[in-house]
Amino acid sequence: RKEVEQDPGPFNVPEGATVAFNCTYSNSASQSFFWYRQDCRKEPKLLMSVYSSGNEDGRFTAQLNRASQYISLLIRDSKLSDSATYLCVVKTNAGKSTFGDGTTLTVKP
Amino acid sequence: EAGVAQSPRYKIIEKRQSVAFWCNPISGHATLYWYQQILGQGPKLLIQFQNNGVVDDSQLPKDRFSAERLKGVDSTLKIQPAKLEDSAVYLCASSSLWAGRNPYEQYFGPGTRLTVT
Repeated sequence: RKEVEQDPGPFNVPEGATVAFNCTYSNSASQSFFWYRQDCRKEPKLLMSVYSSGNEDGRFTAQLNRASQYISLLIRDSKLSDSATYLCVVKTNAGKSTFGDGTTLTVKP
Repeated sequence: EAGVAQSPRYKIIEKRQSVAFWCNPISGHATLYWYQQILGQGPKLLIQFQNNGVVDDSQLPKDRFSAERLKGVDSTLKIQPAKLEDSAVYLCASSSLWAGRNPYEQYFGPGTRLTVT
């Protein structure tokens, strides 16, 4: 079993739709959680951190459930420019980061 | 502020040959990472440096891969000899506790796309 698991998708949604991605992790020593975005043939870039209380950044909302070892990302009012691969990242208190394999989103007009 | 620089951007070699990649992190970033990203997968950490010391190299295939970060700035990653399964994008990233929106934010370079034939 992988340390960080994501549904690979692809998710194909129309503009304006709401879409949610899930991520589960197996290491209970994980302390920090992030969502990165990776465009095709580009490098990953930090989208947002994930806090225990949940956090929102514009159209993006991230949630963490430590008891279930589960992270989610919700995108509201999808834009064409949201098309990308979304990578879940889990960091242990020892400083090791583990990336999921990503979920691919395509937003269509 | 200049980003993470990597070279070369592309490299094609035959199996059993050797290859080296170079990375220059963002100025002042103490932590440097090398990742391997195979098509369709997420980045896999190969090695992590804190200044010029190794923090984690548990997933580095040490029989063929080596990395160094002399003087705690630039870093090189070497593969010798290369195998077909080494075909991937090699990403370098850096981070600093005192920079970015988040102290753990990793800034990635554009990567080196390696093809082994």
